[in-house]
Amino acid sequence: SQKIEQNSEALNIQEGKTATLTCNYTNYSPAYLQWYRQDPGRGPVFLLLIRENEKEKRKERLKVTFDTTLKQSLFHITASQPADSATYLCALDQGYSSASKIIFGSGTRLSIRP
Amino acid sequence: DTAVSQTPKYLVTQMGNDKSIKCEQNLGHDTMYWYKQDSKKFLKIMFSYNNKELIINETVPNRFSPKSPDKAHLNLHINSLELGDSAVYFCASSQDRTETQYFGPGTRLLVL
Repeated sequence: SQKIEQNSEALNIQEGKTATLTCNYTNYSPAYLQWYRQDPGRGPVFLLLIRENEKEKRKERLKVTFDTTLKQSLFHITASQPADSATYLCALDQGYSSASKIIFGSGTRLSIRP
Repeated sequence: DTAVSQTPKYLVTQMGNDKSIKCEQNLGHDTMYWYKQDSKKFLKIMFSYNNKELIINETVPNRFSPKSPDKAHLNLHINSLELGDSAVYFCASSQDRTETQYFGPGTRLLVL
């Protein structure tokens, strides 16, 4: 069956360290993968999109990698700050079908302690 | 200048009632979606419309009926509400069906 999993439900790290979140998938051939941030009581907010032919994407303190062989994406936040505390969702499209839709992982709740 | 707006933000109702949630986007996007996020925070797609045409209809009870009067609006009507319908419902839009999605603030539905 098709699955998309995020490594842990919750991750706690010290301010200033690099947070690394993992998204693994099986039985998909996504054209791209996205990462979203969700704060309590709010809708998800888009952060980064990486395509299947891209290995790495960066945006300020954020970095995303995409390994289609391992079927895995890593999401890094460098120099983490308490304001980075939120739930992070990975999402991928199912492939190239005309009925393709985006599937979300269940999210990793990241807490950055001062 | 809210990009994607939903009303109401909170909805508390009795089992068996019929209710509607409205969604509007001012981004000029062609595609709109309804998602359900349950208590475990799992975000699952329910419906997708492209230019007022239904393109994705997941396995949801037929008590749920989306309606798109125009490209900027996608409403969700729910008949005969059940306890299990309690969740947060998010509306979203995107320029293309497979591109970045912009989410509304969510509607918190509680069925008693």
